[in-house]
Amino acid sequence: AQTVTQSQPEMSVQEAETVTLSCTYDTSESDYYLFWYKQPPSRQMILVIRQEAYKQQNATENRFSVNFQKAAKSFSLKISDSQLGDAAMYFCAYRSSLYGGATNKLIFGTGTLLAVQP
Amino acid sequence: SQTIHQWPATLVQPVGSPLSLECTVEGTSNPNLYWYRQAAGRGLQLLFYSVGIGQISSEVPQNLSASRPQDRQFILSSKKLLLSDSGFYLCAWRVIAGRTGELFFGEGSRLTVL
Repeated sequence: AQTVTQSQPEMSVQEAETVTLSCTYDTSESDYYLFWYKQPPSRQMILVIRQEAYKQQNATENRFSVNFQKAAKSFSLKISDSQLGDAAMYFCAYRSSLYGGATNKLIFGTGTLLAVQP
Repeated sequence: SQTIHQWPATLVQPVGSPLSLECTVEGTSNPNLYWYRQAAGRGLQLLFYSVGIGQISSEVPQNLSASRPQDRQFILSSKKLLLSDSGFYLCAWRVIAGRTGELFFGEGSRLTVL
């Protein structure tokens, strides 16, 4: 079974600085999808960025980028120019590319709580 | 555009009472629907998912049940709540035809069982 591990329960960053959140996963599949979700204090989960495993190029969304290392099964999130609004719980998630049945679900890590210091 | 709504947003219930949380998706048809629970300080646990009307898959044995009476409606229920049912419940949906398959989440429902 696939697993997702986030080894940093909490992180802190100064405003305008850069921070990297770690995520590793375990799978025997070669094609899959990886996601980073943000959960602010309002509690609604928001998709930050996605990566398709067959793409070698790292995904980027404005100040958010990933470092996808397929062989190492690592998927870290880098937040540049951190802002106060970035303070939230961040979840890494995995989904198989196969269709149907149990493979439709997203598997989440336990999250990293990011604090942004002014 | 697609939207997802959950209600109630907050619920305080005594042990042994029934539960009904509702989730509705608008602007799409035949979505995959999911119920997740997030306990305090922990990650998200998948409880149920549904690929169509009346089709429910349960991920973990528990005191809860789910139903999908209509294409875009997903209901989480319990006949008798336990203290351990307290938590933050999130409904989510996914476009089946979409390749990347990210989930879109509702606002969540905070359940406190006393």
